[in-house]
Amino acid sequence: DIQMTQSPTTLSASLGDTVTITCRASQNIDGWLAWYQQKPGKAPTLLMHRTSTLESGVPSRFSGGGSGTEFTLTIRSLQPDDFATYYCQQYDSYISFGQGTKVEVK
Amino acid sequence: QVQMVASGGGVVQPGTSLRLSCAASGFTFSMSGMHWVRQAPGKGLEWVAVIWYDGSKEFYSDSVKGRFTVSRDNSESTLYLHIKNVRVEDTAMYYCAKDTTGTGTAYLEDWGQGTQVTVSS
Repeated sequence: DIQMTQSPTTLSASLGDTVTITCRASQNIDGWLAWYQQKPGKAPTLLMHRTSTLESGVPSRFSGGGSGTEFTLTIRSLQPDDFATYYCQQYDSYISFGQGTKVEVK
Repeated sequence: QVQMVASGGGVVQPGTSLRLSCAASGFTFSMSGMHWVRQAPGKGLEWVAVIWYDGSKEFYSDSVKGRFTVSRDNSESTLYLHIKNVRVEDTAMYYCAKDTTGTGTAYLEDWGQGTQVTVSS
């Protein structure tokens, strides 16, 4: 099984900040990585897939990068709607999620 | 638009059985791989199971293998999750989600709203 490890667990930031979340896979996943956003009491929503392909309607301040076993989600100029929990998910071999990163107000 | 409505959750006693349902609409259900993902209170997302678009294959996480069974009725556009011998650690919100390939190894482009399962004596 492929294990996914996100860091940090919690990230405190202010409006307008740029933040980066890291996701590491236990083995090479060839870029088969997706990111989700989840707000309290809601189902997750897909932000991007294939490492960096944004879903329709996702603001361009979100970007993804990386390769091999290390990937990043960057949010530029944090907006109020961006305070949420973010999960990475690999789909190279079945599916597994990272443990999540909560972006909270500093 | 895509809609998935999960139901069947509730408060159940340990050792009993439970069947969750997910009624889908707004897409070609019979071409979509369908997943169950759960989230224990205050915890992260845990992938549980997937069933191929035609029901020919199923895969489970190690934590539920042997107790959970995923099935589907393509004529009714409905996904199921049967849980036997429920345990306290099965307490979670259970989400159904559709993938993009039909065969399970994919990202999850749409999610239902979830159904809460609470296991308590």
